[in-house]
Amino acid sequence: DIQMTQSPSSLSASVGDRVTITCRASQSVRSYLNWYQQRPGKAPKLLIHSASSLQSGVPSRFSGSGSGTDFTLTINSPQPEDFATYYCQQSHSFPITFGQGTRLEIK
Amino acid sequence: EVQLEESGGGLVQPGGSLTLSCAASGFTFNSHWMSWVRQAPGKGLEWVANINEDGSGKHPVDSVRGRFTISRDNAKNSLYLQMSSLRAEDTAVYYCTRIDWAVAPAWHFALWGRGTLVTVSS
Repeated sequence: DIQMTQSPSSLSASVGDRVTITCRASQSVRSYLNWYQQRPGKAPKLLIHSASSLQSGVPSRFSGSGSGTDFTLTINSPQPEDFATYYCQQSHSFPITFGQGTRLEIK
Repeated sequence: EVQLEESGGGLVQPGGSLTLSCAASGFTFNSHWMSWVRQAPGKGLEWVANINEDGSGKHPVDSVRGRFTISRDNAKNSLYLQMSSLRAEDTAVYYCTRIDWAVAPAWHFALWGRGTLVTVSS
């Protein structure tokens, strides 16, 4: 199974900061890496697919990069609604696996 | 409106059975792979199973293989998850998701329902 490890597990930031979340795969997943946002009590929402493609309707302050085993989700100037939990997910091979999540809190 | 709506969750005793349903609307259901993803209380996301467009291809995670069955009825625009031999560790919110393909074979969980809670407890 491919293990997905996110870092950090949690972080605090202020509105207007630049936030970077890292996801590392235990083996190459090429560009088959997706990012989701989950607000408390809500279903996850797709932000980025195929490592760097912004999902339709998602604000451009979100961006993704990376390939192989190392990936990054960047939020430029997070807004109050962006304080949530973020998950990476690989679709390279079964079983499909998610990272453990990164909780973004307001400083 | 494009949406997925789960139903069928509830309290069930260990060893019991339950069937979850997911009603799809607003898109061409039979053109999409579908999936179930679950989330235990206070925990992260766990993929459960995928099914292809016509139901001929199914991929469950090992922890539910032989106990859970994913299926679909394209005439009813519905996805199902039959769960048996339930364990306490199956307690979770179960989300129905639609799979979209980018440039094949890249795909992602593009649309999520609100989820239905399954609690396995005596």
